[in-house]
Amino acid sequence: AQSVTQLDSQVPVFEEAPVELRCNYSSSVSVYLFWYVQYPNQGLQLLLKYLSGSTLVKGINGFEAEFNKSQTSFHLRKPSVHISDTAEYFCAVSGTASKLTFGTGTRLQVTL
Amino acid sequence: NAGVTQTPKFQVLKTGQSMTLQCAQDMNHEYMSWYRQDPGMGLRLIHYSVGAGITDQGEVPNGYNVSRSTTEDFPLRLLSAAPSQTSVYFCASLRGYTGELFFGEGSRLTVL
Repeated sequence: AQSVTQLDSQVPVFEEAPVELRCNYSSSVSVYLFWYVQYPNQGLQLLLKYLSGSTLVKGINGFEAEFNKSQTSFHLRKPSVHISDTAEYFCAVSGTASKLTFGTGTRLQVTL
Repeated sequence: NAGVTQTPKFQVLKTGQSMTLQCAQDMNHEYMSWYRQDPGMGLRLIHYSVGAGITDQGEVPNGYNVSRSTTEDFPLRLLSAAPSQTSVYFCASLRGYTGELFFGEGSRLTVL
């Protein structure tokens, strides 16, 4: 069984400030990890993923995440956010790269 | 390229009515799935299919039925709608074993 915990339901941040969205997972097998973004009234789209290899993963729109096996974490970071980054962000885990388990989501609210 | 198309986008039902949410994809993906999204609960897997003629249950399958007669289509049937099925439903297909799910825009269902 696998699970994902996103500790922060909402993260307010000013434009051009850095942001970190936290994600912790539990799994009894090797994992694949993902971050998806959902803009208002839209479906989810892939931001970045970790399947294997380098633990630092770069995604679209300047986001990156680091896989930390010892801390079972996959936190999402961006050094300088923009108003257009306002969205809901979902962390997901899979043991097979197909059947994903999603976290409850973190709403990132960027203001001027 | 249409990607994943869901219909209808909005639907209001009375308790006990039945209906089908349609999902079609034009990317020739073998894996398709249905999720429901509820506030504070993230996305939960209802049913999934790894190919035509093969379906399986996800985390919350009760009250829903699926079939997969073609690679392109994966309809979700509500057999006897209940207020607890009020939700936003997303259909998604998976590209290979990369973990990248492609989502439809969602179907917002209200059961009175």
